[in-house]
Amino acid sequence: SQKIEQNSEALNIQEGKTATLTCNYTNYSPAYLQWYRQDPGRGPVFLLLIRENEKEKRKERLKVTFDTTLKQSLFHITASQPADSATYLCALSEGQLTFGSGTQLTVLP
Amino acid sequence: DVKVTQSSRYLVKRTGEKVFLECVQDMDHENMFWYRQDPGLGLRLIYFSYDVKMKEKGDIPEGYSVSREKKERFSLILESASTNQTSMYLCASSIQYEQYFGPGTRLTVT
Repeated sequence: SQKIEQNSEALNIQEGKTATLTCNYTNYSPAYLQWYRQDPGRGPVFLLLIRENEKEKRKERLKVTFDTTLKQSLFHITASQPADSATYLCALSEGQLTFGSGTQLTVLP
Repeated sequence: DVKVTQSSRYLVKRTGEKVFLECVQDMDHENMFWYRQDPGLGLRLIYFSYDVKMKEKGDIPEGYSVSREKKERFSLILESASTNQTSMYLCASSIQYEQYFGPGTRLTVT
């Protein structure tokens, strides 16, 4: 069956460190993968899209990698700040978007 | 900025009631979506629409219907609410890849 797994439900890191979140998938061949941020009580907000033929994408302090052989995407936040604390969702597209259940990131001051 | 609004942030309904959730977007997007979000299950697609009067079933359409009479408005209908439909409901719109979400409606069915 198809499955999207995000590495853990919760991740705590110290301010200034790099946060790395993982998205693994099985039985998908996505044309692209997206990452969203969701704050409590709010809808998700789009962050980055990476296509199947791209290895890496950057936007300011964010970096996403996409390895279609490993069936994995890594999402990095460098120089993390308490304001980066949120739940981060990965989403795969094979036609429609399918979302993972998210990783709750807490950046400790 | 794209704005997606949903009619209510919180809603409490009784079992068996007919429930309408409204979603409006202001960016002339073709595509609109309804999801529900439950702890540990992520967002699950209920229905989507690519055009006015057009609708497609998502992964979990049972117990729901939708209506899209105007391009900017996409309504989700629970014909006869049940307690297992207690959830956060999120509407989204898109023109291509990225989706823009509304703030969500937390529906409780008692």
